Amino acid sequence: EAGVAQSPRYKIIEKRQSVAFWCNPISGHATLYWYQQILGQGPKLLIQFQNNGVVDDSQLPKDRFSAERLKGVDSTLKIQPAKLEDSAVYLCASSQGTRRTGELFFGEGSRLTVL
Amino acid sequence: AQKVTQAQTEISVVEKEDVTLDCVYETRDTTYYLFWYKQPPSGELVFLIRRNSFDEQNEISGRYSWNFQKSTSSFNFTITASQVVDSAVYFCALSDSGNTPLVFGKGTRLSVIA
Repeated sequence: EAGVAQSPRYKIIEKRQSVAFWCNPISGHATLYWYQQILGQGPKLLIQFQNNGVVDDSQLPKDRFSAERLKGVDSTLKIQPAKLEDSAVYLCASSQGTRRTGELFFGEGSRLTVL
Repeated sequence: AQKVTQAQTEISVVEKEDVTLDCVYETRDTTYYLFWYKQPPSGELVFLIRRNSFDEQNEISGRYSWNFQKSTSSFNFTITASQVVDSAVYFCALSDSGNTPLVFGKGTRLSVIA
């Protein structure tokens, strides 16, 4: 079974530029999550999708971050314009069920460096 | 508010030693779930275990064991006879039965030296 796929693995941009990350979850997984992991910290949820609908985006900085999952499968996370503090690893995860108490499967992450 | 504390930032052990990673949590809910994840250098978080708040039985899986104590709000993880491949960052996480997202601790970096 293929795991969660993410791209690109690494991205370096200058502040005020834009960037987009892509995630393809495990086939059949209805729930998709984007997490932000700043160096030395645990992952923090940015947004949760159930199929193509948003379940929780309370911690997403909506002035600069956006995410979509149009067909209920793969998803894109965009940052525009980027700030220095956005430097982090962006992790995508998926799960079969809708409850947050279930097991999450994570991708390898996309490491963003903002200069 | 929910909180997970992993007081040990980094631990270094020699191969074959036993090591315990501590996790202390805070929650007001009576129903909640605790998790441990492993993050190897590749970056992918790997699920290790999930335990609900009503099940205080300790669990053993090979060289891994978990000690859940509600009285002290702790969910500690022990690796017996550690191996170099165990080197990774380990995260403890908490989820209640409501709508709050999975809350992670800051992680403990384990280095096992041959």
